[in-house]
Amino acid sequence: DVKVTQSSRYLVKRTGEKVFLECVQDMDHENMFWYRQDPGLGLRLIYFSYDVKMKEKGDIPEGYSVSREKKERFSLILESASTNQTSMYLCASSRTDTYGYTFGSGTRLTVV
Amino acid sequence: AQTVTQSQPEMSVQEAETVTLSCTYDTSESNYYLFWYKQPPSRQMILVIRQEAYKQQNATENRFSVNFQKAAKSFSLKISDSQLGDTAMYFCALEGSNYKLTFGKGTLLTVNP
Repeated sequence: DVKVTQSSRYLVKRTGEKVFLECVQDMDHENMFWYRQDPGLGLRLIYFSYDVKMKEKGDIPEGYSVSREKKERFSLILESASTNQTSMYLCASSRTDTYGYTFGSGTRLTVV
Repeated sequence: AQTVTQSQPEMSVQEAETVTLSCTYDTSESNYYLFWYKQPPSRQMILVIRQEAYKQQNATENRFSVNFQKAAKSFSLKISDSQLGDTAMYFCALEGSNYKLTFGKGTLLTVNP
């Protein structure tokens, strides 16, 4: 069964901490994405990547960065966590034939 | 820019009945794909159904079907014979040439016994 695995289901961090959210896919997908999901706002794209070492800003990249050193792994980095980054974070991957995304289970991050 | 609008924040339906979730979109691209995703309370986002914009035939997947009206930029989801397990948040999404998905804000569907 193909999978997108997010390393943590729940995470609590303190304001100002550097936070790493990890995502690994085993489907050899070219494209990987990070979204945040907030009630009433739906899913908003933070960053995405079409290939190793490539990254593109999404709609809300401020306060975030990403790393893709290997095809299967796409990391989201909060350089200095703030309370307004408390949210559900969803990782997804896809092939280039636009058959839709495969999502991870999500990481609920709370910044206190 | 692409936009996706779901005008029904919440809906409810009785078990075994049929329900239709609405979605409208806007895009300047001629070739694009439309999706409905389901997110149950357990939170894993699952693909329900997919529609290529160049195909006139409406997609169907078992109890799920769509009504795709390209000129009106409308893409509604019909769920027949609703089941308790259909209770979830449903998201309409659009993918253009850059592989990015733009999502609507979602419709929370509750199936009542």
